[in-house]
Amino acid sequence: NAGVTQTPKFRILKIGQSMTLQCTQDMNHNYMYWYRQDPGMGLKLIYYSVGAGITDKGEVPNGYNVSRSTTEDFPLRLELAAPSQTSVYFCASSPFMNTEAFFGQGTRLTVV
Amino acid sequence: KNEVEQSPQNLTAQEGEFITINCSYSVGISALHWLQQHPGGGIVSLFMLSSGKKKHGRLIATINIQEKHSSLHITASHPRDSAVYICAAGGDNDMRFGAGTRLTVKP
Repeated sequence: NAGVTQTPKFRILKIGQSMTLQCTQDMNHNYMYWYRQDPGMGLKLIYYSVGAGITDKGEVPNGYNVSRSTTEDFPLRLELAAPSQTSVYFCASSPFMNTEAFFGQGTRLTVV
Repeated sequence: KNEVEQSPQNLTAQEGEFITINCSYSVGISALHWLQQHPGGGIVSLFMLSSGKKKHGRLIATINIQEKHSSLHITASHPRDSAVYICAAGGDNDMRFGAGTRLTVKP
């Protein structure tokens, strides 16, 4: 089992560029999440999904979009990158809400 | 004030010492989670508990629902325990995370 796989691990973007962070899981989990982690702060939920075709906003959704066309994949899209989006992004999945979550290795994104 | 507060923020210990990390939360929860973030950045789930105490190897997690407080204990600490430990309050629809406690265990 690969678990939760995120790509890329590192990326530098210029202001205004767009990119997609990929996330895939092979555990057949219904729930998937995107978090961002800023220095000295707790993880913040960006978006989550309770199943294919269903997504919902978390605490800090502005500037991001997601889609969930399959159970396995939950990509996160940044349309117009801004310096405030410099962060470490984590994708996670769980079988149900508020059960043990499995995290990807993270993507360190820098916007310059 | 954050909904989930951890203390201390940083902790340095000598190998073999008993470690305690505290977590206080102000939100209603279905479960309290303890996570470990390795120096390389990966995050793994250690415990999920809604009452009492859980033990896994040298790690013990306790929770007091009435006081909205949880503790993570590490017995006989080892340098490989060096990591950031994160507490998360799991509600019905989301989780709120503490900022983490950075633990360094020196040989």
